[in-house]
Amino acid sequence: KQEVTQIPAALSVPEGENLVLNCSFTDSAIYNLQWFRQDPGKGLTSLLLIQSSQREQTSGRLNASLDKSSGRSTLYIAASQPGDSATYLCASLGGGGKLIFGQGTELSVKP
Amino acid sequence: AAGVIQSPRHLIKEKRETATLKCYPIPRHDTVYWYQQGPGQDPQFLISFYEKMQSDKGSIPDRFSAQQFSDYHSELNMSSLELGDSALYFCASSLDGGTNYGYTFGSGTRLTVV
Repeated sequence: KQEVTQIPAALSVPEGENLVLNCSFTDSAIYNLQWFRQDPGKGLTSLLLIQSSQREQTSGRLNASLDKSSGRSTLYIAASQPGDSATYLCASLGGGGKLIFGQGTELSVKP
Repeated sequence: AAGVIQSPRHLIKEKRETATLKCYPIPRHDTVYWYQQGPGQDPQFLISFYEKMQSDKGSIPDRFSAQQFSDYHSELNMSSLELGDSALYFCASSLDGGTNYGYTFGSGTRLTVV
């Protein structure tokens, strides 16, 4: 059974810092891994999707990497801004055909 | 671009009442998923439908049922509501099981049971 873990659970940084969020998964037989952003009480916004054959994906200040062999993915946020404050969730799609989520990293970027 | 539409956005029900949540997937998406997210929790898979047929079932209570209709919209029916059913309920849709394009989620329905 796939288990997805995110570290740290919470992170507080000053504005302008570069930061890395970590995601690990126990079953490397995945189709893809998706990173989402969730504002308090709101929906899930897809940020990046990495296919199992890919190593990384970039969108603006965000870069996500995937290392299937080690069961790890990272989300790198460059030059963080207060507007980046949210919970970031990673989710893997495996042979079971459904997304399995980590518990998220709650990010706070202080002005 | 069209997104996944969920209604209502908010719902308040009393214990033992029934609630119906609706989901309208992205046009031409063939799979619909329902997830439940309790306070401070990650989203948990409830049930999914592929081409209007139930395709997978997660930790969905027997008090809950769901279906997908001919126009591809889906409804989650929740009966004998309990306080613990208070949560955010998300619907998502995908093309080809999400393998190439991932899932797209709706904004969710916040259910409060009092």
